[in-house]
Amino acid sequence: AQTVTQSQPEMSVQEAETVTLSCTYDTSENNYYLFWYKQPPSRQMILVIRQEAYKQQNATENRFSVNFQKAAKSFSLKISDSQLGDTAMYFCAFILDQGAQKLVFGQGTRLTINP
Amino acid sequence: EPEVTQTPSHQVTQMGQEVILRCVPISNHLYFYWYRQILGQKVEFLVSFYNNEISEKSEIFDDQFSVERPDGSNFTLKIRSTKLEDSAMYFCASSETALSSTFGSGTRLTVV
Repeated sequence: AQTVTQSQPEMSVQEAETVTLSCTYDTSENNYYLFWYKQPPSRQMILVIRQEAYKQQNATENRFSVNFQKAAKSFSLKISDSQLGDTAMYFCAFILDQGAQKLVFGQGTRLTINP
Repeated sequence: EPEVTQTPSHQVTQMGQEVILRCVPISNHLYFYWYRQILGQKVEFLVSFYNNEISEKSEIFDDQFSVERPDGSNFTLKIRSTKLEDSAMYFCASSETALSSTFGSGTRLTVV
């Protein structure tokens, strides 16, 4: 079975700072995808960034980037120049490239950006 | 931008009652999912639906739960006899390729 672990329940930084959220996962499969989802107070789940396991290059989306270490099964999210609107729960998630392709989520990290 | 629409946004029901949560997935998507998030906890997979049938379900998805795609556009989750522990946020998701799900805004179910 696949598992996703986020070891930081809460984090807090000042606006404009850079913050890194940690995520590790466990799988014996080789073909999978990793995601970071943002859940603001409205509780909608918003896709932030996606990484294909077969790609060595780390994904980036504007201020968001990942550090994907496949051998270590690590997938951290870096938010640069953090903004007040980045305040949210952040969930790391995993999906196998086979079967029903359901998302497996970590426990989440509550990120607060302070003015 | 296309959206996944869920109704109602909040439902309060008495224990033992049946509830139906409704979702309108994005029109050209082929894969449909229900997830659940108990307050303060992580999001958990309930069931996936493809080609008009369940493709996988979790151990949470017991006989009290069922899903339907009754008219080719709606995708519903029915809980036959609600329990207090069914109180949660229920998310519908759909995807075209099964590798990039779009989530709805969720239905908050409160069982009293």
